[in-house]
Amino acid sequence: AQSVTQLDSQVPVFEEAPVELRCNYSSSVSVYLFWYVQYPNQGLQLLLKYLSGSTLVESINGFEAEFNKSQTSFHLRKPSVHISDTAEYFCAVRNTGGFKTIFGAGTRLFVKA
Amino acid sequence: DAGITQSPRHKVTETGTPVTLRCHQTENHRYMYWYRQDPGHGLRLIHYSYGVKDTDKGEVSDGYSVSRSKTEDFLLTLESATSSQTSVYFCAISVAVDDSPLHFGNGTRLTVT
Repeated sequence: AQSVTQLDSQVPVFEEAPVELRCNYSSSVSVYLFWYVQYPNQGLQLLLKYLSGSTLVESINGFEAEFNKSQTSFHLRKPSVHISDTAEYFCAVRNTGGFKTIFGAGTRLFVKA
Repeated sequence: DAGITQSPRHKVTETGTPVTLRCHQTENHRYMYWYRQDPGHGLRLIHYSYGVKDTDKGEVSDGYSVSRSKTEDFLLTLESATSSQTSVYFCAISVAVDDSPLHFGNGTRLTVT
């Protein structure tokens, strides 16, 4: 069975500092990996995804994530955060050919001025 | 935003009453999902649909049923609401399985007293 572990439930960080949100997954088959972001009182939005090819994927707002197959990780990073990045971030995994997307418990990123 | 409307947005109901939540999409996507979001658990899949009248159970389906009589509508019914079903419920859609991301509605906050 698949599972996703987000290692930090909350990450406080100062504005313009770098941040890393950690995600590990387990699966017996090949997977697709996703990061979603949820702003207050909203649904989740796709931030970025890894399907195949280059292990480093980027979003339009400066986030990036690296797929590491040997460590079964998909950590999310940003070199310099903004106040507007304050949100909850969810790592998710889906088996290739599967219907179900499994989510981690979420990491709440809080950016302080 | 993908054309997904959840109704109602908020509901308070009493233990033992039936409750139906509605998800309506205008995207003509084949796949629809119901998730619940609870602190510390992330999102957990309740039921999903892969076509009209084609549905299957997710990881937390006990106490819930679904119906999909039209492509655009996916209904979630709590047959006899319990306090443990107090949660935020999200509907999601995807155009395909595999590498297609999920698009989420804005959620329904359900309180069972």
